[in-house]
Amino acid sequence: DIVMTQSPLSLPVTPGEPASISCRSSQSLLESNGYTYLSWYLQKPGQSPQLLIYLGSLRASGVPDRFSGSGSGTDFTLKISTVEAEDVGVYYCMQGLQTPLTFGGGTKVEIK
Amino acid sequence: QVKLVQSGAEVKRPGSSVKVSCKTSGGSFSTYTISWVRQAPGQGLEWMGRLIAIADITDYAQKFQGRLTITADRSSSTAYMELRRLRSDDTAVYYCVREASIPVFDLVLDGWIDPWGQGTLVTVSS
Repeated sequence: DIVMTQSPLSLPVTPGEPASISCRSSQSLLESNGYTYLSWYLQKPGQSPQLLIYLGSLRASGVPDRFSGSGSGTDFTLKISTVEAEDVGVYYCMQGLQTPLTFGGGTKVEIK
Repeated sequence: QVKLVQSGAEVKRPGSSVKVSCKTSGGSFSTYTISWVRQAPGQGLEWMGRLIAIADITDYAQKFQGRLTITADRSSSTAYMELRRLRSDDTAVYYCVREASIPVFDLVLDGWIDPWGQGTLVTVSS
């Protein structure tokens, strides 16, 4: 199974400031078709997770452009250019290259 | 827009079974890959298995082999997750999700989840 490791576990943020979350996979997520099978999700308090980023860097419909995904191979980053209060919650990365689909342990983002 | 609506919360005894439903709307069920993901209280996300509807193929995580069955009723566009021989550590919120895909030239790109159902809390307690 592909192991996904996220850091940090907890991220206190100040509204208006940038934030960054790291995700590492135990093997490359680059498929032979040239696409990277890494996605990001945000689970707001009391809600189901929602898709933010897919195929490494593509923003899902309706996701603000302050969210961006980057990286390749085994190292990936989710960046929030300027954090807003509504961005609090737990962020997860997930690999979709092979089953079992596996998730990072989550990064809890909270306002300082 | 695809929507997934799950059945309500369940309380079960250890050793019993639970069956959770997931009614889909807004698309063509026969083209879906429906997975089930669970989240124990205060914990992260765990993929359990999937049903590839167009091929009627199931794929289960090794951890759940023999205890999990994912089925579908195409006439009602509803997927089901049945977990047997329940234990207290099966207490979790169970999410029905669609594995999304998009066509790009002669490729079909997939590997991400969208949307998620609202979740069903299953509590296993004596």
